[in-house]
Amino acid sequence: SYELKQPPSVSVSPGQTARITCSGDAMPKQYAYWYQQKPGQAPVLVMYKDNERPSGIPERFSGSSSGTTVTLTISGAQAEDEADYYCQSEDSTSNWVFGGGTRLTVL
Amino acid sequence: QVQLVESGGGVVQPGKSLRLSCLASGFTFNTYGLHWVRQAPGKGLEWVGVIWYDGSQKHYGESVKGRFTISRDNSKNMVFLQMDNLRAEDTALYYCARYYSEYDSLDYWGRGTLVTVSS
Repeated sequence: SYELKQPPSVSVSPGQTARITCSGDAMPKQYAYWYQQKPGQAPVLVMYKDNERPSGIPERFSGSSSGTTVTLTISGAQAEDEADYYCQSEDSTSNWVFGGGTRLTVL
Repeated sequence: QVQLVESGGGVVQPGKSLRLSCLASGFTFNTYGLHWVRQAPGKGLEWVGVIWYDGSQKHYGESVKGRFTISRDNSKNMVFLQMDNLRAEDTALYYCARYYSEYDSLDYWGRGTLVTVSS
């Protein structure tokens, strides 16, 4: 089955740039989406179609894609950005797949 | 405002069935697809399946295909997840979420309902 691979954890100091990657063989052909989940809360969409930011998401969040890897970048990470981040895409049968998640620590 | 409220979770024995419901409000329900996503305790998100706005198409994740069925009642603004032949590994918090075509992703989520499969 199709897998999206994310690093289990990323750690940055406040104000630094955090980069979270997501790799999948079908990435060159499929868009990626990113969800942020804070403890005890439902996920929130922070990036769609690789690099589009939904309404209400701060400009410090950006996305990019290169080959089989997509990257969520948080420029000037803040304490409030500490959360789990999940990438999501589709496999060859258009079924959705989530990555394993990356815990972002800002301290 | 958009709201999605899941219900129907609980403790169920392996091999038994359970039906989850998701009541929607605050938007024109019959124009949106709805997804179910689950999250096992302390684990990541897993896509369960989707039903189109009119119920004409349904798609399921590999781990639930053949056991779970999604349906909807547009007259009641509700979507359902019928779960049969439950297994311990189906234990999770089950979310329903709205598909927003402009973003091609999930823009609103409920708070989830917990299903525990245990003897």
